[in-house]
Amino acid sequence: EPEVTQTPSHQVTQMGQEVILRCVPISNHLYFYWYRQILGQKVEFLVSFYNNEISEKSEIFDDQFSVERPDGSNFTLKIRSTKLEDSAMYFCASRTDRVSNQPQHFGDGTRLSIL
Amino acid sequence: DQQVKQNSPSLSVQEGRISILNCDYTNSMFDYFLWYKKYPAEGPTFLISISSIKDKNEDGRFTVFLNKSAKHLSLHIVPSQPGDSAVYFCAASALNTDKLIFGTGTRLQVFP
Repeated sequence: EPEVTQTPSHQVTQMGQEVILRCVPISNHLYFYWYRQILGQKVEFLVSFYNNEISEKSEIFDDQFSVERPDGSNFTLKIRSTKLEDSAMYFCASRTDRVSNQPQHFGDGTRLSIL
Repeated sequence: DQQVKQNSPSLSVQEGRISILNCDYTNSMFDYFLWYKKYPAEGPTFLISISSIKDKNEDGRFTVFLNKSAKHLSLHIVPSQPGDSAVYFCAASALNTDKLIFGTGTRLQVFP
């Protein structure tokens, strides 16, 4: 069964450094998402992306965050100047379309640890 | 943000019996509800969904019930199996948005 793939599985970064989290969505999917889960808290929506632009973003997704689909397969989340509170599991998700209420399929996540 | 609530942090059920996981929501604009299962060190795996125009959806051992007047949904697993042991998340989205709002999860343990 096709999967959403995320790399790396664990990223350790010094505070203030830039980090890029990578995702390969399922190949025929058109809608892409990033969520995060801080330890002990809920899974929270960050951003949705369709047709090479952000379609929706949360209050969390401020100017330090950006997303990009640099080629036909990858979808990246960049955090420009990391803070301690950015430490979390980051999940990428994708879906085929919105009209037929297809579910979002999630990757296994990247654990981001900010030191 | 307490729009989706799962009030039971854990549930323990004997193998072969029914597991019932509950979820309450407050936002009347939600029109699509999903259940995800999550094992440690893995991402959420989609289980089953229901649109607000329905009150029941069934897929094998899994059935989701939606009570719109009570703003309540439940997931029934029957018969429960040890491999069902995981954390179960309820999630919801509103019309014209892709954003999923998750509950805090219920840890299900199925014992022999």
